[in-house]
Amino acid sequence: QVQLVESGGGVVQPGMSLRLSCAASGFTLSDYGMHWVRLAPGKGLEWVALLRSDGNRKDYSDYVKGRFTISRDNSQNTMYLQMDSLGVDDTAMYYCARDDNRLDNAFDIWGQGTMVIVSS
Amino acid sequence: LMTQSPATLSVSPGERATLSCRASQSIRTNLAWYQHKPGQAPRLLVYGASTRATGVPAKFSGSGSGTEFTLTISSLQSEDFAVYYCQQYNNWPPITFGQGTRLEIK
Repeated sequence: QVQLVESGGGVVQPGMSLRLSCAASGFTLSDYGMHWVRLAPGKGLEWVALLRSDGNRKDYSDYVKGRFTISRDNSQNTMYLQMDSLGVDDTAMYYCARDDNRLDNAFDIWGQGTMVIVSS
Repeated sequence: LMTQSPATLSVSPGERATLSCRASQSIRTNLAWYQHKPGQAPRLLVYGASTRATGVPAKFSGSGSGTEFTLTISSLQSEDFAVYYCQQYNNWPPITFGQGTRLEIK
């Protein structure tokens, strides 16, 4: 079964760090572009970061650039999002998603999400 | 910038809903629609502006190109009431979503 499962969310204080994980099953993570997308309370979906299939090109939204780092471990078939210098505006449900170039790079597989709360 | 309208749409079961998405510049047909229900993963409905994803029923229909796009949902049932997002992937990154349309039962 093709699926993504996120983990690692929690409650942290402003300025602290957190690492999210996205475990893939049923397909090879490195064959696809992979993304992190977040949904803050009362807001809409917001794209956060991209790791292309070659593993080299990484892109970030302006809101997280310089603070978040996307990576993957091919041996574990898992993607990560290292989040540093967290602020209250980073509070959100974080989803990982796969883009499929056979579908014009639309996001065809999503995880259930992991919640991050940044609060003092 | 992707702008969806209306923000909230109230429709009776059995009727048709029409959701709009406007791009600030041409994105050709590089647009997808997603359905999102509370506590669930977002679900891809349409890509390439008008191609239904695998397993998506024909009641969901996407159209448009350039800057104006529409998602039409016919014969609304209880399970169709959710938040719907459009997403452009014409010139990325960044990938951008609309702010969403909440489809609620009238």
